[in-house]
Amino acid sequence: EAQVTQNPRYLITVTGKKLTVTCSQNMNHEYMSWYRQDPGLGLRQIYYSMNVEVTDKGDVPEGYKVSRKEKRNFPLILESPSPNQTSLYFCASSPDGGSLGGYGYTFGSGTRLTVV
Amino acid sequence: SQQGEEDPQALSIQEGENATMNCSYKTSINNLQWYRQNSGRGLVHLILIRSNEREKHSGRLRVTLDTSKKSSSLLITASRAADTASYFCATVTGGFKTIFGAGTRLFVKA
Repeated sequence: EAQVTQNPRYLITVTGKKLTVTCSQNMNHEYMSWYRQDPGLGLRQIYYSMNVEVTDKGDVPEGYKVSRKEKRNFPLILESPSPNQTSLYFCASSPDGGSLGGYGYTFGSGTRLTVV
Repeated sequence: SQQGEEDPQALSIQEGENATMNCSYKTSINNLQWYRQNSGRGLVHLILIRSNEREKHSGRLRVTLDTSKKSSSLLITASRAADTASYFCATVTGGFKTIFGAGTRLFVKA
């Protein structure tokens, strides 16, 4: 089944403790992206990647890191989480980032992160 | 920055009625997409309309795009209780950034 898999689904952590949220897709998509969703704000893009070793900042990159060493994986790293990073996080992928062939995104099921 | 802004924020209708949601945006786009989200789950892609298209249909969905007014509308005909969800528009620019609006919450009463 074609899918984007995020882990974990739920995570409670303490301020300052480094964490990684994993994202993997099995569709050979070039483009992957991370979003956070907060009430009343919709989804805001954190980082995106056009291909292996190619990443770029979205609208809210502060406090996050990403890497794209393999095409299928795009982990999100919080080096020193703070309470304002408590949010619902989504990973998404598409063949071309939506710009060229006009494909939509496939989303993961989300990771609900709480930083206390 | 928020590009797409949906209107209304919330909509409650009876089963069988049509639901219309609107989206406005600010900059030039390559395409505009609509997604559905059921209570905190992942978003599901519904339909994509390119900047050189004016109208598109998919089943009970009809999307229009007016680039001169920088606006789009999503019409769901003959709504069902299962259509209850949040609906988001997303604009894709030439820089491969995708910007989502805050969404419209649709409630379809059985």
